[in-house]
Amino acid sequence: GAGVSQSPSNKVTEKGKDVELRCDPISGHTALYWYRQSLGQGLEFLIYFQGNSAPDKSGLPSDRFSAERTGGSVSTLTIQRTQQEDSAVYLCASSLGGGEKLFFGSGTQLSVL
Amino acid sequence: GQNIDQPTEMTATEGAIVQINCTYQTSGFNGLFWYQQHAGEAPTFLSYNVLDGLEEKGRFSSFLSRSKGYSYLLLKELQMKDSASYLCAVRDRNTGFQKLVFGTGTRLLVSP
Repeated sequence: GAGVSQSPSNKVTEKGKDVELRCDPISGHTALYWYRQSLGQGLEFLIYFQGNSAPDKSGLPSDRFSAERTGGSVSTLTIQRTQQEDSAVYLCASSLGGGEKLFFGSGTQLSVL
Repeated sequence: GQNIDQPTEMTATEGAIVQINCTYQTSGFNGLFWYQQHAGEAPTFLSYNVLDGLEEKGRFSSFLSRSKGYSYLLLKELQMKDSASYLCAVRDRNTGFQKLVFGTGTRLLVSP
């Protein structure tokens, strides 16, 4: 596609439920990133993929968070047993090879009630 | 890790010039990026500095001093559409060459 696509754009869920957030990067971009942006906070790095492998998952806040990437393309971020503090905008970005400028999607606004 | 500091908020008038500062502390600096983010939208790339000096791109310029751990983004001939958050981000070879670490951003409000 022309840009990074994320779905859903908004997700409201109840505490304790699992959610899946999807990211479709720019075609041909081998690097994919997940960031989280809470109100009034900077972008917080979660995980980085190069191809289908994740050499850096140091930012995942707990074992409730996991991510995978398949076919060197689409990625899914899964949050299990959601908590209210998980409420944030989850941004996905891709880049051509990793380390260059990032192209961001519009994000998924997650609200945990 | 990195410490990245930016002012939280700035105001300026249409047509004026504004300078947004960013200071950082890294052990293995390998590049600094500026992004613009309008409310509710995705961040978009503005500039990249890895060597000392000024990079000019139209109304926007970015400066870097590696010895001082300092960068600024200069916006000239401000327009109302420049009202947005401006994010400074640093790449550090010692904490993962591939990832960018972002500051909390500077919210710029341009008034008529």
